Amino acid sequence: AQSVTQLGSHVSVSEGALVLLRCNYSSSVPPYLFWYVQYPNQGLQLLLKYTTGATLVKGINGFEAEFKKSETSFHLTKPSAHMSDAAEYFCAVSENTGNQFYFGTGTSLTVIP
Amino acid sequence: DAGVIQSPRHEVTEMGQEVTLRCKPISGHNSLFWYRQTMMRGLELLIYFNNNVPIDDSGMPEDRFSAKMPNASFSTLKIQPSEPRDSAVYFCASSYVGVSGYTFGSGTRLTVV
Repeated sequence: AQSVTQLGSHVSVSEGALVLLRCNYSSSVPPYLFWYVQYPNQGLQLLLKYTTGATLVKGINGFEAEFKKSETSFHLTKPSAHMSDAAEYFCAVSENTGNQFYFGTGTSLTVIP
Repeated sequence: DAGVIQSPRHEVTEMGQEVTLRCKPISGHNSLFWYRQTMMRGLELLIYFNNNVPIDDSGMPEDRFSAKMPNASFSTLKIQPSEPRDSAVYFCASSYVGVSGYTFGSGTRLTVV
């Protein structure tokens, strides 16, 4: 069975500071891992995904995440936060069939001017 | 492609009334998912279909909820009778089984008064 834990339901960073959103997963099979972003009153949008190959994946808007199997982690980072990054971020895991997803509870990112 | 299309965007109804939410998945996607999002419970998977067949409906809260997918391009989620605790944002998502990840619709915000 798969599950996702997102540490920190709320994260605040200053504009220009490093963004780090944490995600740990459990999976009995090689996982597919995803980060989604949700802006207010909108649906979820795919930021990036890891399936196979390179463990450091780059996504949209300057975000990237690294799959670390030994730590069962897939943390999301961005070197310099922008005001427009303020949103809810969801980590998700699925089996390597890529079918049913299991979402974390989300992390709300606030960017302070 | 227009993406996953949900209608209506907003629905306000009185307790006891029937509510029908609609979803048009992305052409070519063969999996469709219905999620509910609330502040208290986050994202909950209600039901998902593969090739128009319901695979897992264990997330459907109770018999008042039903979902159908009569063909590859259309799905409905029906609540009858509706109750105030059903107030939430309902998302539809579709995917092609494999590595694509989900594509979410913009959601239907349901308010039951």
